[in-house]
Amino acid sequence: QKEVEQNSGPLSVPEGAIASLNCTYSDRGSQSFFWYRQYSGKSPELIMFIYSNGDKEDGRFTAQLNKASQYVSLLIRDSQPSDSATYLCAVRRGGGATNKLIFGTGTLLAVQP
Amino acid sequence: NAGVTQTPKFQVLKTGQSMTLQCAQDMNHNSMYWYRQDPGMGLRLIYYSASEGTTDKGEVPNGYNVSRLNKREFSLRLESAAPSQTSVYFCASSRQYNEQFFGPGTRLTVL
Repeated sequence: QKEVEQNSGPLSVPEGAIASLNCTYSDRGSQSFFWYRQYSGKSPELIMFIYSNGDKEDGRFTAQLNKASQYVSLLIRDSQPSDSATYLCAVRRGGGATNKLIFGTGTLLAVQP
Repeated sequence: NAGVTQTPKFQVLKTGQSMTLQCAQDMNHNSMYWYRQDPGMGLRLIYYSASEGTTDKGEVPNGYNVSRLNKREFSLRLESAAPSQTSVYFCASSRQYNEQFFGPGTRLTVL
């Protein structure tokens, strides 16, 4: 079992719809959770981070964390073709003085005009 | 603010050659990281430096060495390149426990 798992996709949604991206993790002590967006041929860029159970909203993006079920999700409302990219989930493990992140392999999102 | 910069952007090496990838950040971050990204494998940590003067191995350190030259700069060296090191290399930096910011990457091909 991979430590951070994502469905590789592609996830295809029509323009204007809600895209839902999911990520599960195996280390129950994980403390911090990050979503990055990566366009083809470019570097990852941070979209959101979440530390506490529940929802966190930033514009069209909402991150949801459920530590009991060990999953984190990213919702993109009013999806636009420019949102088409690979979305990477990253998790910081608990314990120790380290900021090492474990990345999932990413979900490819395709927003159809 | 340039953020995180990396040089070179592209490089082609022959098996056995050596090279150093350079990374610098101007965000006054304490921690810096080197990752490689391969299709289907995601981002994997090679080495990291939690603070100036310290370096530690990540998930895939074999075949690489690093130097934290000062707070701004963190270099990655391939002493004897192998085709298995063909990859895209990203440098990142962060404050101690916060989100990481990535450089533009170096595309390396080893023939």
